[in-house]
Amino acid sequence: DGGITQSPKYLFRKEGQNVTLSCEQNLNHDAMYWYRQDPGQGLRLIYYSQIVNDFQKGDIAEGYSVSREKKESFPLTVTSAQKNPTAFYLCASSIASRSFTEAFFGQGTRLTVV
Amino acid sequence: GQQVMQIPQYQHVQEGEDFTTYCNSSTTLSNIQWYKQRPGGHPVFLIQLVKSGEVKKQKRLTFQFGEAKKNSSLHITATQTTDVGTYFCAANTDKLIFGTGTRLQVFP
Repeated sequence: DGGITQSPKYLFRKEGQNVTLSCEQNLNHDAMYWYRQDPGQGLRLIYYSQIVNDFQKGDIAEGYSVSREKKESFPLTVTSAQKNPTAFYLCASSIASRSFTEAFFGQGTRLTVV
Repeated sequence: GQQVMQIPQYQHVQEGEDFTTYCNSSTTLSNIQWYKQRPGGHPVFLIQLVKSGEVKKQKRLTFQFGEAKKNSSLHITATQTTDVGTYFCAANTDKLIFGTGTRLQVFP
């Protein structure tokens, strides 16, 4: 089955620790995105990548880092510099950015930092 | 940066009533997309509008793109409990920017 997979679904970390969220897609999509969603809030763009080996900051990139070494993978690291990391993180992909195509989302990772 | 606002933030309706959410952009858009997120779920694509003044229908859902391509609306006729969720518009430029969303609650 083609799709986009995020793991794990739930993640708990101690304050001050870095944590990496996985996002893998087998849709052969060029564009990938990371969003953060807080309770009752919209989706805020953290980072996006239009093509492998390239990525750009979104609106709330501070305290996060990404890599795009493979077309199918776009992991997000939440660093200790992120002041309020507890949130629901969503990864998405589309055929290409700047194209009139839909985005497919993973199931999300709910991160809790204690 | 580009901002996409939606109103209202919340809407509670009785089953059978109509519902409308409005999306407004600070800049002219090349296209607008609409997504639905069920409680506890992830956003799922509903539709895309591209042309000025475009209107598209999906059963009880009617989507409209403004003449100036800076606003859009989603109207649901005769809501059902299955319509519960948050509806987002999204502007697709070189990145996909989501609106603030409208949470719909439907009471039976």
